This record gives sequence, C-alpha cells and structure tokens, in this order.
Amino acid sequence: ETGVTQSPTHLIKTRGQQVTLRCSSQSGHNTVSWYQQALGQGPQFIFQYYREEENGRGNFPPRFSGLQFPNYSSELNVNALELDDSALYLCASTSTGLAGGREQYFGPGTRLTVT
Amino acid sequence: AQRVTQPEKLLSVFKGAPVELKCNYSYSGSPELFWYVQYSRQRLQLLLRHISRESIKGFTADLNKGETSFHLKKPFAQEEDSAMYYCALSRTSGNTPLVFGKGTRLSVIA
Repeated sequence: ETGVTQSPTHLIKTRGQQVTLRCSSQSGHNTVSWYQQALGQGPQFIFQYYREEENGRGNFPPRFSGLQFPNYSSELNVNALELDDSALYLCASTSTGLAGGREQYFGPGTRLTVT
Repeated sequence: AQRVTQPEKLLSVFKGAPVELKCNYSYSGSPELFWYVQYSRQRLQLLLRHISRESIKGFTADLNKGETSFHLKKPFAQEEDSAMYYCALSRTSGNTPLVFGKGTRLSVIA
C-alpha cells in the first residue's frame, strides 16, 4: 500500500505569481482534500474532490482552484499569490463509500513561501 | 458555526505524570471527534476517534456532549509522547472535511 505523496516538498514564489501543487492519493482512495496550515495554526480546509469533481469548499477565494484526475491524483492551483498564502499545504485522501473508511490519510505537505 | 478550541498552546509534563489535553467544540448537530498527532519530522496521523472507543498508545478520549468536550488523557506520560496534538471534528454523515483546532504541543520532560 502506497501512502499519500506530495510534490514539491517546498518552493518559493513571488507575489503575483501562480503555483501548482501535486498530490498522489493513497492506493484505493477516491477522495482528496486539501488543507492550508499557516504557522502556529491548525489545518484549514480548502476543498475536496471526489470522482474528479469538487465536492465541498472552505472559505477560500476562487483563485484557489483544483483538479482531480482519473487516477485520483490531484492538483491545487493558486493564482495571484499573496504574502498570506505562505503556509504548509496538506493533501489528505480517503475512500468514500466504504463503511468505516473515512479516516483521512495525510501527505507530508508542501511548504510554500511567497516573497 | 463549527469550531474546535484547544486552550493550551504548550503543555509540559514530567515523565510518568498524567496528561490531559483539552478540546472543546461547538457544532449544531452530532459531530464525530478525532485526535490527530504529528511527531517531529513526521506527517499528521490519526491517533483516535470517539466512535472507536479504543485506547491507542495508552491515550483515551471521552466525548462529553453536555460539556461539548473531547479531552485526551493518558495516565503516565512517556518521552515519546512529545508531539503536536490536534483535535478535529467532522459531520457524522458522509465524507466531510475536518475542522481542526490550533493544536497543543506536548513536551514530556525526562
């Protein structure tokens, strides 16, 4: 069984730029959620994808967007980066539809720094 | 609105002492409560969930609906328990996202 992987591990961008973060879900999982974790805070829900469609969204502006692919991997895109977007971005996968299969498995995260 | 409050940013205890990490929540419905843990240089992982009613690594947590609390307890702290602990909740129906508290850093002193 392969765990959740994320790439890149960290990156530095300039304000106004765009960034794409990637996540491969755990084997057998069809649902991916993205969270933003600012320094000293708990993870905050951005959105969730199930069967390639957005299936719930937190309080984040439209410049945060995502995709899920047929193999259930996912991307998080952020346009017009702002300094406050600097955070650890976590991807979590789970398997919707299975009884008891609702534990979310987290990836190691991508550390984004916006200067 | 859903909210999880962890009042302590940092909790330091001596090895062998009891540990209690506090978690209070507000939710208009019947939530599912979780404790997640992050050890140094490791990813966030589930420690326990209230519906399982099990003890993991000596930790237990009881959901108190009257006090809207889900405190995490361990009778005798060990050095390897030092980590960041997050309380979280979600709806009981469907596969809904987690709402996290800000976390409590537990430091067990030898």
